[in-house]
Amino acid sequence: AQKITQTQPGMFVQEKEAVTLDCTYDTSDQSYGLFWYKQPSSGEMIFLIYQGSYDEQNATEGRYSLNFQKARKSANLVISASQLGDSAMYFCAMRRYGGSQGNLIFGKGTKLSVKP
Amino acid sequence: DTGVSQNPRHKITKRGQNVTFRCDPISEHNRLYWYRQTLGQGPEFLTYFQNEAQLEKSRLLSDRFSAERPKGSFSTLEIQRTEQGDSAMYLCASSPVDRGLIDTQYFGPGTRLTVL
Repeated sequence: AQKITQTQPGMFVQEKEAVTLDCTYDTSDQSYGLFWYKQPSSGEMIFLIYQGSYDEQNATEGRYSLNFQKARKSANLVISASQLGDSAMYFCAMRRYGGSQGNLIFGKGTKLSVKP
Repeated sequence: DTGVSQNPRHKITKRGQNVTFRCDPISEHNRLYWYRQTLGQGPEFLTYFQNEAQLEKSRLLSDRFSAERPKGSFSTLEIQRTEQGDSAMYLCASSPVDRGLIDTQYFGPGTRLTVL
């Protein structure tokens, strides 16, 4: 069975500093995708970044980068130059490829608070 | 390109009543997903459609829950005889059909259900 673990319930970071949010996953599949979503207090899940299991390079999207270590089964999100608007819940998720399963498996999330 | 929309945004109902939620996906997205999110947890998968076909249902989807996507466009999720344990945020997401390994799901703002 697939599982996502986010061990940090809450994190604080000073504005303009970088922060790393941890995510480890468990799967026996060879082909899978890893996603990060941001959920502000308004409730909408906002897609941030994607990493495929066969991608050799770490994904980057603007201030977001994904530190993918396949052997350790970790997919940590790095946010550079934090902004006040980054304060939100962050969820790591995984989906498998192949077969009929299309759903995402989510972790419990990390609440990030950016301090001015 | 409008995003995923959900209606209503909030619903308060009494235990035992039936409720129905609607989701309008991003146009031309073949896949549509329903998730449920309770306080302090990540979203949990309920069911998903490819076009009008319901391809998978979670064990979380009891007999009181039914979902439809009759014309392969919008979808409805109905809960019959609501219970207090049904109180949650119901999230809808859509994605284009797999072409390659990237299949990003884009979420709507959710419908928050409170069962009194």
